[in-house]
Amino acid sequence: DAKTTQPPSMDCAEGRAANLPCNHSTISGNEYVYWYRQIHSQGPQYIIHGLKNNETNEMASLIITEDRKSSTLILPHATLRDTAVYYCIVRVGSSGSARQLTFGSGTQLTVLP
Amino acid sequence: DSGVTQTPKHLITATGQRVTLRCSPRSGDLSVYWYQQSLDQGLQFLIQYYNGEERAKGNILERFSAQQFPDLHSELNLSSLELGDSALYFCASSVDNRAFTNTGELFFGEGSRLTVL
Repeated sequence: DAKTTQPPSMDCAEGRAANLPCNHSTISGNEYVYWYRQIHSQGPQYIIHGLKNNETNEMASLIITEDRKSSTLILPHATLRDTAVYYCIVRVGSSGSARQLTFGSGTQLTVLP
Repeated sequence: DSGVTQTPKHLITATGQRVTLRCSPRSGDLSVYWYQQSLDQGLQFLIQYYNGEERAKGNILERFSAQQFPDLHSELNLSSLELGDSALYFCASSVDNRAFTNTGELFFGEGSRLTVL
């Protein structure tokens, strides 16, 4: 699985958009980008994933560059409850295969009041 | 609530002892994953079981073992415990049904916090 690079920490003002970058320059054509977050000592929570198209769900938007070498997770209106470590993970996705996720260090997002 | 249940939530034991952590996956999920999270190591993948069989193995020590039972619940056994085994142990589950092309979503439980004194 491709390696990802994320900034160790970021701050965001409450109510503003939080844009979390992730670099995955060695991503392969069949690898997906997944985002999870972990609120202090709780179990990681799935946010969103995508292959090459931009994706949006009720939690966030995922913007993947055309060359797929980087992506940005966008939380449109950050709240204090969004303070967490955000993990960007790149992994092959196909049915029947071992599907474990390899977590890196992630980005500690702190939403400030 | 992810639907994944882990017990016990907290466990304190002594070095050299053996403990068993239990995980009940979401209804219908065939795969169970175990992860260890210690302060200095981050989330480390230990092992995956799919429908009762070991599917993938990560950084799991020989002192640790796991199994998945016919009802799909899983147990992680930790023996000859050392101080360094103190950590949060997470279980996750996913469908991994061959009928699905891909979702990639793992559902994590709230973890079992193990303290070895």
